[in-house]
Amino acid sequence: QLQLQESGPGLVKPSETLSLTCTVSGGSISSSSYYWGWIRQPPGKGLEWIGSMYYSGTTYYNPSLKSRVTLSVDTSKNQFSLKLSSVTAADTAVYYCARHVVVAGIPYYFDYWGQGTLVTVSS
Amino acid sequence: DIVMTQSPDSLAVSLGERATINCKSSQSVLYRSNNKNYLGWYQQKPGQPPKLLIYWASTRESGVPDRFSGSGSGTDFTLTISSLQAEDVAVYYCQQYYSSYTFGQGTKLEIK
Repeated sequence: QLQLQESGPGLVKPSETLSLTCTVSGGSISSSSYYWGWIRQPPGKGLEWIGSMYYSGTTYYNPSLKSRVTLSVDTSKNQFSLKLSSVTAADTAVYYCARHVVVAGIPYYFDYWGQGTLVTVSS
Repeated sequence: DIVMTQSPDSLAVSLGERATINCKSSQSVLYRSNNKNYLGWYQQKPGQPPKLLIYWASTRESGVPDRFSGSGSGTDFTLTISSLQAEDVAVYYCQQYYSSYTFGQGTKLEIK
């Protein structure tokens, strides 16, 4: 059974960089059938896609966040990571990692999600 | 960006009754070359991550009960729960993947 687990600091200061890692177990991050994505959800609000990455390094980013987001993948550890720079209180959210299903080389919907981790931006 | 708008924002249905949630996209998510609607539905229970229910607008994910069904095409879509069970209490989201990836604002489903 595939499992995804987010990890990283739960508190980040304004203007600093948020860093999270997602560890994948029960499957290979190097599969040609999937991208690996990040989605966030501010408390009590809806879902916002941040970006997705293929094991080879190809990435898709949300245009509204692209200037602040860096995605990376470590196939040797079966992990992928998110960095979000210059954070403000508006970046406070539960951050989910998820598997992004590929059809004909393009990622479409998310079929497995991690449990999520709350990141609070506050001094 | 394609904006997804769900209605209603909240819904209360009696156990065993039908629940219907609507989702409208600001532009068509039907890709005419393959006749597929690039739309999915997710269920999120309190304190849990979203769970994929439906993709390609009407294809049920493996393991999802057949009381859940998706329909619609172009810009107008519906998620139907044919006979509401207590465990279906959740927030439901639609998501388009035709152009980037955006979600509806969610519909909260409760028991009447």
